[in-house]
Amino acid sequence: EIVLTQSPGTLSLSPGERATLSCRASQSINSNYLVWYQQKRGQAPRLLIYGASNRAPGIPDRFSGSGSGTDFSLTISRLEPEDFAVYYCQQYGSSPPYTFGQGTNLEIK
Amino acid sequence: EVQLVESGGDLVQPGRSLRLSCIGSGFTFGDYSLSWFRQAPGKGLQWVGFIRSRASGGTTPDAASVTGRFTISRDDSKGIAYLQMNSLKTEDTAVYYCTRGLLFAELWGQGTLVTVSS
Repeated sequence: EIVLTQSPGTLSLSPGERATLSCRASQSINSNYLVWYQQKRGQAPRLLIYGASNRAPGIPDRFSGSGSGTDFSLTISRLEPEDFAVYYCQQYGSSPPYTFGQGTNLEIK
Repeated sequence: EVQLVESGGDLVQPGRSLRLSCIGSGFTFGDYSLSWFRQAPGKGLQWVGFIRSRASGGTTPDAASVTGRFTISRDDSKGIAYLQMNSLKTEDTAVYYCTRGLLFAELWGQGTLVTVSS
């Protein structure tokens, strides 16, 4: 089972700043099969990025994903008030179970 | 509107069974594989299992944590997927989400809460 470790656990930033979230895997993820989700309080998650770097339909271009192998990141170029939420990475590059990171809480500073 | 709506969540005693339903609308239900995820209160997300579309074989590998107790099925004629949960444990307490997609969730339902407690 692939273990995903997200860092930092909590990130405190102000609107307009740049956010970089990290997701590290315990072993290389096949074909960069990694996604990022955003979850706001009391809501279901929403798909942001798939295949490590492809934005899902309707996702603003301030969100970008990058990385390969074991190291991946999600960058939000200029934070908007609605971007403050919890972000999860998930891998689907190996046999089930498809595991998640523990999440990064992006909070307003 | 394209959406998934779960139902069936409830308070149940340990050892009992529960069946969750997921109704899809706004899209051709039978063309898509479906997955279930769950989230324990205040915790992160966990993959539960998936069921492929009929065109992809309709097979159901389950997550290791619930193998043998949970079964996923679907009735494409009704646009409904099911998560049958047997021998429930307190650690199964969570919001259960139905999602569209085989390997990752491109569309999420709003979730239904299952509480396992005596």
